[in-house]
Amino acid sequence: DAGVIQSPRHEVTEMGQEVTLRCKPISGHNSLFWYRQTMMRGLELLIYFNNNVPIDDSGMPEDRFSAKMPNASFSTLKIQPSEPRDSAVYFCASSFGDDIQYFGAGTRLSVL
Amino acid sequence: SQQGEEDPQALSIQEGENATMNCSYKTSINNLQWYRQNSGRGLVHLILIRSNEREKHSGRLRVTLDTSKKSSSLLITASRAADTASYFCATDHNTDKLIFGTGTRLQVFP
Repeated sequence: DAGVIQSPRHEVTEMGQEVTLRCKPISGHNSLFWYRQTMMRGLELLIYFNNNVPIDDSGMPEDRFSAKMPNASFSTLKIQPSEPRDSAVYFCASSFGDDIQYFGAGTRLSVL
Repeated sequence: SQQGEEDPQALSIQEGENATMNCSYKTSINNLQWYRQNSGRGLVHLILIRSNEREKHSGRLRVTLDTSKKSSSLLITASRAADTASYFCATDHNTDKLIFGTGTRLQVFP
């Protein structure tokens, strides 16, 4: 298996633009997690899905952030409109049953 | 916040030395995990210890768990330059999600 696949690896955009981050979890995994990592705040859980259903979105910063999981093999995290303070590395992770999470390589987002 | 805290924040050692990093948490756990993150990469799972276990080994890694003190330690023996990375503890509080600590940056000099 190729592992968790995230795209793009890097995204540079201007303030106010819409940003869409994509994630393909490991085949067969039934939980998917979106994290944000910054120097100041460390690794924060934004939202997670179980069997494609959002379970806990309490970490989503504000209404500008939204996440979807239309099927078991794809999820998106959207920021609209983006702001400079959204600059961070965004990770997607997936798991199945054993509590261990498998992380993608991340998307480094820079909002100018 | 339930976020775990790790100490030290940074650790520099010579190759061959042992590295110990500690993690403390606030509420009872189902299990505790350690992850490693190389610069510019995603986190990689290293080892999981359950709340009813006190010690676990995996290769050069040794993890201990003291639930009475709500703390864990990760020992890397005979360190190598390739062990240079950030190390995070993560706690499972009987939910589907993990709470990650603040991390320890380990630098191993050849």
